[in-house]
Amino acid sequence: TQLLEQSPQFLSIQEGENLTVYCNSSSVFSSLQWYRQEPGEGPVLLVTVVTGGEVKKLKRLTFQFGDARKDSSLHITAAQPGDTGLYLCAGKNTGFQKLVFGTGTRLLVSP
Amino acid sequence: DSGVTQTPKHLITATGQRVTLRCSPRSGDLSVYWYQQSLDQGLQFLIHYYNGEERAKGNILERFSAQQFPDLHSELNLSSLELGDSALYFCASSSGTPANYGYTFGSGTRLTVV
Repeated sequence: TQLLEQSPQFLSIQEGENLTVYCNSSSVFSSLQWYRQEPGEGPVLLVTVVTGGEVKKLKRLTFQFGDARKDSSLHITAAQPGDTGLYLCAGKNTGFQKLVFGTGTRLLVSP
Repeated sequence: DSGVTQTPKHLITATGQRVTLRCSPRSGDLSVYWYQQSLDQGLQFLIHYYNGEERAKGNILERFSAQQFPDLHSELNLSSLELGDSALYFCASSSGTPANYGYTFGSGTRLTVV
């Protein structure tokens, strides 16, 4: 069974602070995605990373795929209340056809 | 609006009953995936259909079944419901391999079994 562990599970910060969320596994993934889910809605795809060491930026969000393709991080600069939500990583390795979702990080950004 | 439509949005039913959840994928997407999300189990894959055919099964109980119709909409049938079946049920579609293109999720059906 593939496992994607995310940390921290919960994060409560003030507007303007920076934060990093981690997604770790003992398995190698051919690709990894990050989703954000807001209350009452389904997850929305933020980014897909496929190359070890890859870094992608989406405005204030920076995503990194580990060199060994076993881990990933999401860094948010100057967090805003609109960043509040559940952040999920999802990965696929060559042995499975479906994506496996991580345990999730619930972020609360207060004004 | 993601383009993936799920109905109903909320469902409250009693133990032992049967319910049907409906999903219409985004226009042009042939694949439909069903996921269950609960607080203690996270997002769990249930089943995948592609153009009417079952392609993969995940942690789907025998009391649950699904199908995809010729017009590509899909239904998830849950029977002999138990309190533990209370969860959010999501449908997602994809234009290609999810690992490359990602999922587009609907807004979910919240099922409460009382």
